[in-house]
Amino acid sequence: NAGVTQTPKFQVLKTGQSMTLQCAQDMNHNSMYWYRQDPGMGLRLIYYSASEGTTDKGEVPNGYNVSRLNKREFSLRLESAAPSQTSVYFCASKTQGYDTKTQYFGPGTRLLVL
Amino acid sequence: KNQVEQSPQSLIILEGKNCTLQCNYTVSPFSNLRWYKQDTGRGPVSLTIMTFSENTKSNGRYTATLDADTKQSSLHITASQLSDSASYICVVSPTFQGGSYIPTFGRGTSLIVHP
Repeated sequence: NAGVTQTPKFQVLKTGQSMTLQCAQDMNHNSMYWYRQDPGMGLRLIYYSASEGTTDKGEVPNGYNVSRLNKREFSLRLESAAPSQTSVYFCASKTQGYDTKTQYFGPGTRLLVL
Repeated sequence: KNQVEQSPQSLIILEGKNCTLQCNYTVSPFSNLRWYKQDTGRGPVSLTIMTFSENTKSNGRYTATLDADTKQSSLHITASQLSDSASYICVVSPTFQGGSYIPTFGRGTSLIVHP
């Protein structure tokens, strides 16, 4: 099992450019999440998908859109990147959103917006 | 507002020594508390998960405690190793309410173990 994979690992964008961060999991998990991690701050939830076909906003959804393409894949899109979106982005998955099972994280995507 | 506060912010110890990290939270109603280890440049990895009825949980040299009455948790690391150098993150989740169960993450404690 590869677990949770994310692409790309690194990306540099100019202000106003768009891009999509890809995430896939091979653990047959129902719930998937996108977080951002900024220096000196805890991880903050951007969007989550409790199950295939559903998506919901987290704490900091502004400037982002998501697509739950199928049970395995959950993508995060920045339509018009801003310097404030410079961050490390983590995708995560777990069996069900409301249970106490472990949440598995991907290796992260490091994004720099100039 | 749900909050998770961790202390200390950073900690330096010698290899072989023990240490304890603290987590205080205001998340309510409480569902579970998790401790994660995050190595530099990697995603967090789960160490322990505790629900309301559990007051201690071990994972090798890591032992987490939970006092749901005072809303405090600690992570004790025994006989530290160089590989324990990482950030330790406390995460508290509320019960499932109205379709929402957004966890609250602490800022983490950065632990450095010196030889």
